[in-house]
Order: sequence, then structure tokens, then C-alpha cells
Amino acid sequence: NAGVTQTPKFQVLKTGQSMTLQCAQDMNHEYMSWYRQDPGMGLRLIHYSVGAGITDQGEVPNGYNVSRSTTEDFPLRLLSAAPSQTSVYFCASSYSQETTDTQYFGPGTRLTVL
Amino acid sequence: GDSVTQMEGPVTLSEEACLTINCTYTATGYPSLFWYVQYPGEGLQLLLKATKADDKGSNKGFEATYRKETTSFHLEKGSVQVSDSAVYFCALSDGAQGGSEKLVFGKGTKLTVNP
Repeated sequence: NAGVTQTPKFQVLKTGQSMTLQCAQDMNHEYMSWYRQDPGMGLRLIHYSVGAGITDQGEVPNGYNVSRSTTEDFPLRLLSAAPSQTSVYFCASSYSQETTDTQYFGPGTRLTVL
Repeated sequence: GDSVTQMEGPVTLSEEACLTINCTYTATGYPSLFWYVQYPGEGLQLLLKATKADDKGSNKGFEATYRKETTSFHLEKGSVQVSDSAVYFCALSDGAQGGSEKLVFGKGTKLTVNP
């Protein structure tokens, strides 16, 4: 199993550009999430999905869109990039919704918006 | 809402020193508690977890005990190694606020261990 994979690893955008961060998992996990990591802020939840076709907003959803057309993929779209979206983005997945279950994280995408 | 407060670093120790990183939480429901570790340039990986009161999670010499009475989950290791240098995150998953897909994280504590 590759686990949770993310592409690209690094990305530089100009203000106003759009892009999609890719996330895929091969563990047949129903539950997937996107977090952003900022210095001194820990990780904050952007959007999450409890299954194909079902998504919802987390703590900091503004400026981001998601969709979940398959169990495996959960892309994160930046509609019009802003410098405040400079961050490291992590995708994660878990098998069940049980609070005892473990989330598995991808290696992250480091995004810089100029 | 739920929150996690952990000791802010950075923490610098010499090899073989004892480590404690404090973590306290507030939660609406009865959460599961986690410690994740992030090595330089990598993603997060689970270090240990505890799912009910008085449970002790342990892994790689690290331990943490779920203390409901003090709402704490402090991370401890008796003798740290250079390879333990990383950022450590305390987190919770609260069924009253969703589930495993909605972890709430502390801000992280950077640990540097010198030879």
C-alpha cells in the first residue's frame, strides 16, 4: 500500500491563480480530511468528507473547494490564491468515523503564494 | 468548541535526558486522545493514542496516560535520543463534534535533542 499520497510536493503561485492539490489513498478509507499547518497554529481542518459524494466544511474553509467523486481521491481546489493561503497542506484518511480510529497523513504540499 | 493546549517550545535537551510535554484538553464529549510526531520534512505519523480514561498509550519508549480528572495527556520519555528530534502534536477526536475525520490539534512542540 502506498497509503496517502499528495501531489505536488511544492508549489509557488501568484496571487489570483487557481490550482488543485491532489490527494489519493489506497486503503479503502471512507473518511478523508484536509488540514493546513501554519507556524504556531498547529493543524486546522479545512474540509472533510465522510464518503464519496459527501463533503463538509471544517474550521477554515474560505477560499477552498473540495469534491469527492471516488472513495480514493479528495482534491482541494484554491479558487483564487491569496498570500494568506501560504501554508503546508496535509491530506488525511481514516477507515471509520469512530473516535478511536487513527487518521493517516500524507507527506504534505508546501504552497507559497506571492 | 473543543480545544487542545500543549506546552509550547521549543524544547532543547541533551541525549538521555527525561522529556515531558504537557497537554491538556477541553471537549464536549468523551474524546480519544492522540500524540502525533512530525520528523523534519515529513508528514505526521501517529506516535500513540488512548481511547478511555486511565488508558496508557506507549510506543518507541514514549508514554502518555489519559487523565480524565485533570483533562490531561502528557507525553513522557525517560531517555531521549537525537533521533527523537521532531515536532510533537497532541490531538483529540470527539464524537460529540464528529469523529475521526475531525481531529483537533494543539499548536505543536518542537523538540531538539543534542548529542
